[in-house]
Amino acid sequence: GDSVTQMEGPVTLSEEAFLTINCTYTATGYPSLFWYVQYPGEGLQLLLKATKADDKGSNKGFEATYRKETTSFHLEKGSVQVSDSAVYFCALTSGGATNKLIFGTGTLLAVQP
Amino acid sequence: SQTIHQWPATLVQPVGSPLSLECTVEGTSNPNLYWYRQAAGRGLQLLFYSVGIGQISSEVPQNLSASRPQDRQFILSSKKLLLSDSGFYLCAWSGGAGSYNEQFFGPGTRLTVL
Repeated sequence: GDSVTQMEGPVTLSEEAFLTINCTYTATGYPSLFWYVQYPGEGLQLLLKATKADDKGSNKGFEATYRKETTSFHLEKGSVQVSDSAVYFCALTSGGATNKLIFGTGTLLAVQP
Repeated sequence: SQTIHQWPATLVQPVGSPLSLECTVEGTSNPNLYWYRQAAGRGLQLLFYSVGIGQISSEVPQNLSASRPQDRQFILSSKKLLLSDSGFYLCAWSGGAGSYNEQFFGPGTRLTVL
């Protein structure tokens, strides 16, 4: 079945450092891919998405490119801030009647001033 | 615009007591609805989903049940809570069948069973 694999955390960075969180997936067909962010004590917020190969999703300085050849959707940001500290989840859906999401295990990012 | 509400925000219940968590969605019709549980420091576990009124699918066998009495209302229940039911419960909605849409999440309910 479909699956998502994320890099283990926690990831600890200094403010203004470059961020990469790796995400690879296994799916039949052509899934849509997502990154969600969860701040402490809150629900998940959609950060960005890509619906087909070579699409680049971007939001709030974060970017991720749908790479079908490497089945990857790595999250990047050029300069992180303390306010980016959160848990980041990679996810996919293959659509269908249920539109269920398959989530990775989440990566905790801690940004220090 | 669409909004999703969950209540209560926090709940402390004794073992063996009943549970009812409610989720409502505004600004859309015929959504797919989902219940997730997130244990402390862990990822998301899909518990139930619903593609229409009265249609509930369970993802894992457990002490919980779900109901959808109205198009935009989703309820999570238990007759007798266990310690292992503690966690952060999230409700979500998405576009209906045939879509590859993202899910939108509510603010969550923090449940502690003592």
